[in-house]
Amino acid sequence: EPEVTQTPSHQVTQMGQEVILRCVPISNHLYFYWYRQILGQKVEFLVSFYNNEISEKSEIFDDQFSVERPDGSNFTLKIRSTKLEDSAMYFCAIPPSGGGTGELFFGEGSRLTVL
Amino acid sequence: AQSVTQLDSQVPVFEEAPVELRCNYSSSVSVYLFWYVQYPNQGLQLLLKYLSGSTLVESINGFEAEFNKSQTSFHLRKPSVHISDTAEYFCAVSEDTGFQKLVFGTGTRLLVSP
Repeated sequence: EPEVTQTPSHQVTQMGQEVILRCVPISNHLYFYWYRQILGQKVEFLVSFYNNEISEKSEIFDDQFSVERPDGSNFTLKIRSTKLEDSAMYFCAIPPSGGGTGELFFGEGSRLTVL
Repeated sequence: AQSVTQLDSQVPVFEEAPVELRCNYSSSVSVYLFWYVQYPNQGLQLLLKYLSGSTLVESINGFEAEFNKSQTSFHLRKPSVHISDTAEYFCAVSEDTGFQKLVFGTGTRLLVSP
């Protein structure tokens, strides 16, 4: 089972500030996904990223959001100007090797609190 | 597009009692089905999955789920729950077409009391 490490585990920021959340899979992956879970609510798809390009994004993933693979191993989710409603747990996820079954392995999440 | 419905937001049950968490899905194509569990302040862990073959799938900790295509359901069951099963349970579906995203239900909180 592949492992995914997410940093930071918790970040508190002021409204309007930029936030970068990071995801590091233990092995090299071409696919990764970001999901969001507002406290007490469902887990929502944000974006999928394949081979350095966005392959699909939800309507939540507006111009405030961006994803990158800055150094070939880390994946980042950037929120340019945070809003109160961005407060949530953000999960990075990767498929198993040879995947394509929809199964995903999730990191422990990064909790973002916007004040 | 696919969707998932979990009608029960919370299911309270006594320890050693049986439990069923309901999940119904909607999709115009073949799907893969999953149950994920989220313990307090933790991430999402895969509990069990249906990809193909036998419609009854089991987890290592006693949970099972049955894929029912005619009823578009994938209910999760356990004959005897433990206190440690207290968690949030999410049903999820992905379309049977490559690296498709997972779509989650709203979750069911299982509360096991002594």
